[in-house]
Amino acid sequence: QKEVEQNSGPLSVPEGAIASLNCTYSDRGSQSFFWYRQYSGKSPELIMSIYSNGDKEDGRFTAQLNKASQYVSLLIRDSQPSDSATYLCAVSGGSNYKLTFGKGTLLTVNP
Amino acid sequence: DVKVTQSSRYLVKRTGEKVFLECVQDMDHENMFWYRQDPGLGLRLIYFSYDVKMKEKGDIPEGYSVSREKKERFSLILESASTNQTSMYLCATLEAPADTQYFGPGTRLTVL
Repeated sequence: QKEVEQNSGPLSVPEGAIASLNCTYSDRGSQSFFWYRQYSGKSPELIMSIYSNGDKEDGRFTAQLNKASQYVSLLIRDSQPSDSATYLCAVSGGSNYKLTFGKGTLLTVNP
Repeated sequence: DVKVTQSSRYLVKRTGEKVFLECVQDMDHENMFWYRQDPGLGLRLIYFSYDVKMKEKGDIPEGYSVSREKKERFSLILESASTNQTSMYLCATLEAPADTQYFGPGTRLTVL
């Protein structure tokens, strides 16, 4: 059974700080890695994807992947109250495009 | 932009009723998915389809069936709704080769 683990939180950071969200996965054959943001009562929204080891930056967001350690992280710089949401880590691999999701980390950014 | 729509945002049904949830996408994607999301359990895959009339069971298919007669439309069917099927139901479509899934707005189903 493929597993994706995240700290459930809540993770609380002050406005302007860096929020660090972490995710580990069990399947070494995983090839694609995603971070989704989900506001309360809404559906998940893709914010980052990463496919190779290293860092990938997009605006205030940086995704980091370490396949040897089976670890994915998301850094949010200059956190804003509007970043308050649940962040879902998702992992896929193989030919059927199935995603395995973590249960999510609730992030609260305090003004 | 990928657009995924679901037939209802909120739905209330009674135990034993047959329930249809419909999902429509406008991007000609081959792969479509149905999930349910429950507090503490996260997103769980019910069924997915990789082509018209083709389907595969996900992790929790019991009590559900699906239909995909046209490429843009993927329906989830609860043959006889039960209270433990009260949940948020999310449809997604996949953009290959990036493996990126895009979600519809969700249907919050309550079974009384």
